[in-house]
Amino acid sequence: NAGVTQTPKFQVLKTGQSMTLQCAQDMNHEYMSWYRQDPGMGLRLIHYSVGAGITDQGEVPNGYNVSRSTTEDFPLRLLSAAPSQTSVYFCASSYSAGLSNYGYTFGSGTRLTVV
Amino acid sequence: KNEVEQSPQNLTAQEGEFITINCSYSVGISALHWLQQHPGGGIVSLFMLSSGKKKHGRLIATINIQEKHSSLHITASHPRDSAVYICAVDPGSGATNKLIFGTGTLLAVQP
Repeated sequence: NAGVTQTPKFQVLKTGQSMTLQCAQDMNHEYMSWYRQDPGMGLRLIHYSVGAGITDQGEVPNGYNVSRSTTEDFPLRLLSAAPSQTSVYFCASSYSAGLSNYGYTFGSGTRLTVV
Repeated sequence: KNEVEQSPQNLTAQEGEFITINCSYSVGISALHWLQQHPGGGIVSLFMLSSGKKKHGRLIATINIQEKHSSLHITASHPRDSAVYICAVDPGSGATNKLIFGTGTLLAVQP
């Protein structure tokens, strides 16, 4: 089925460890983004990309890196995990037409716990 | 003050009831989205609105651009409608993909 595939679904890390959350989409969407979801808060944008080779920071980028070498893939790297990065992470893709983005499709989420 | 406010934060209904969830926003927008998230699940897009009203099955979404307000209605509610409903606005900044999200409304429909 077409959509956004996110892996892993669950992960437990020790403080200081690094890891990569994978995100892939097969809809040829040019826009991809990473959000984190914390209790009592709306989804917050970590990093986003408007096309292969182009990335930019969102609202809460510290401690995370991204790259976009292909249209399909947009991995999120945690460089040195901290307990404050315990959260649920969502990858999303969309395409642009005029001033708006359309076709928002979200991955199933990654529940990350840092101990 | 958040740019996107939803009410109520929590809602419990009996099966069959008509449900309304509200979203108010304070920024100019090009579109508004309603999303659904089941417990422990992913996020699914329900509607994208820039004006008027849209209907899909038992779900109806309306928007009043002048009043900066949108509502999501569920008719003949069912326990499977239990989920978090999230309002998000697109400020219309083009190629930035920067939706602004509300904190969500947790709906529980009891049989």
